[in-house]
Amino acid sequence: KQEVTQIPAALSVPEGENLVLNCSFTDSAIYNLQWFRQDPGKGLTSLLLIQSSQREQTSGRLNASLDKSSGRSTLYIAASQPGDSATYLCAASGGGSQGNLIFGKGTKLSVKP
Amino acid sequence: NAGVTQTPKFQVLKTGQSMTLQCAQDMNHEYMSWYRQDPGMGLRLIHYSVGAGITDQGEVPNGYNVSRSTTEDFPLRLLSAAPSQTSVYFCASSYVAGAGVEQFFGPGTRLTVL
Repeated sequence: KQEVTQIPAALSVPEGENLVLNCSFTDSAIYNLQWFRQDPGKGLTSLLLIQSSQREQTSGRLNASLDKSSGRSTLYIAASQPGDSATYLCAASGGGSQGNLIFGKGTKLSVKP
Repeated sequence: NAGVTQTPKFQVLKTGQSMTLQCAQDMNHEYMSWYRQDPGMGLRLIHYSVGAGITDQGEVPNGYNVSRSTTEDFPLRLLSAAPSQTSVYFCASSYVAGAGVEQFFGPGTRLTVL
């Protein structure tokens, strides 16, 4: 059974710092690894999706990497801003039903001005 | 496109009452699913559908029913609400279920069962 873990559960950094959020998964037979952002009381916003055949994806200040052999993905945020404060979730899909997402519990990021 | 829409945004029920959470998408997506989000538990899959007329159970299906009569709509029914069903419910959709296909989430329904 796939399990997804995100460490740390919470992170506080000063504005301008580059940071890395970690996501690990137990079953390397995944199809996709998707990163989401969730603001308090809101829904999930998709940030980046990495197919199993890819190593990384980039969007603006965000870069996500995938290493299936080690069961890890990272989300790199460059030059963090207070507006980046949110909870970041990673989710893996694959196995018997390709669309079903297994979520980590998230990392709550706080960027201090 | 409105994307994935959910109604209502908030709902309070008494134990034993029934209700339907609505989910609709206007992107002609075949794959739709329901998740619940609980503190300390993360998001867990309740039911999913790979197309009209086809549904299947996820990780936590007990107490919930679904049907998929059209591509656009995927309602979630609580037949007899219990306090353990107090949660935030999210609907998601994607073009198909497969590699490289991004999933999109609705804004959620916050349900309280007294």
